[in-house]
Amino acid sequence: GQQVMQIPQYQHVQEGEDFTTYCNSSTTLSNIQWYKQRPGGHPVFLIQLVKSGEVKKQKRLTFQFGEAKKNSSLHITATQTTDVGTYFCAGRRTGGFKTIFGAGTRLFVKA
Amino acid sequence: DAMVIQNPRYQVTQFGKPVTLSCSQTLNHNVMYWYQQKSSQAPKLLFHYYDKDFNNEADTPDNFQSRRPNTSFCFLDIRSPGLGDAAMYLCATSRETGDIEKLFFGSGTQLSVL
Repeated sequence: GQQVMQIPQYQHVQEGEDFTTYCNSSTTLSNIQWYKQRPGGHPVFLIQLVKSGEVKKQKRLTFQFGEAKKNSSLHITATQTTDVGTYFCAGRRTGGFKTIFGAGTRLFVKA
Repeated sequence: DAMVIQNPRYQVTQFGKPVTLSCSQTLNHNVMYWYQQKSSQAPKLLFHYYDKDFNNEADTPDNFQSRRPNTSFCFLDIRSPGLGDAAMYLCATSRETGDIEKLFFGSGTQLSVL
């Protein structure tokens, strides 16, 4: 079945440092989505990438979708304490309605 | 505000005692999902409804059932909860329009099994 892998599992950074999490799917995806889950909260949608090689930016966050539409990354520039949480990638196969989540990367930011 | 509402926020049940979790939405979305999330793990899809069509994941235990009596409501029934079923249960919706197909999550129900 479809699997979505994500690394690293945890990342500790000093405030101001950059952070990157990587996502890889065993199958070609129709789209990749990214969600953020704060401790004790529920996943909140950040962005969706659809096109091969697509890059999108949201302030300090940069999202990329690979050329083969099987991998993606999220990069945060100059992390802040408000960035703390778990970042999940979630992929969907073409023609399907199942959104499969990666294992998530939990980000810790030390002030 | 339009949203996805889950009740209760916390649910305690006894081993083997049936329990029902509820979800309602005011978004008029045609797809509703139930995810199970255990501590420090990814949300795991249990099943979803596309309108009235029910789609079960192959590895979802028979112990878990779902009902969607209308567009707005969806229920998760756990017939005989075991200790391993203790988890956060997240309901989500999406509007399948071919555009952005993001999931809107409820706040979840944290289930404890004693």
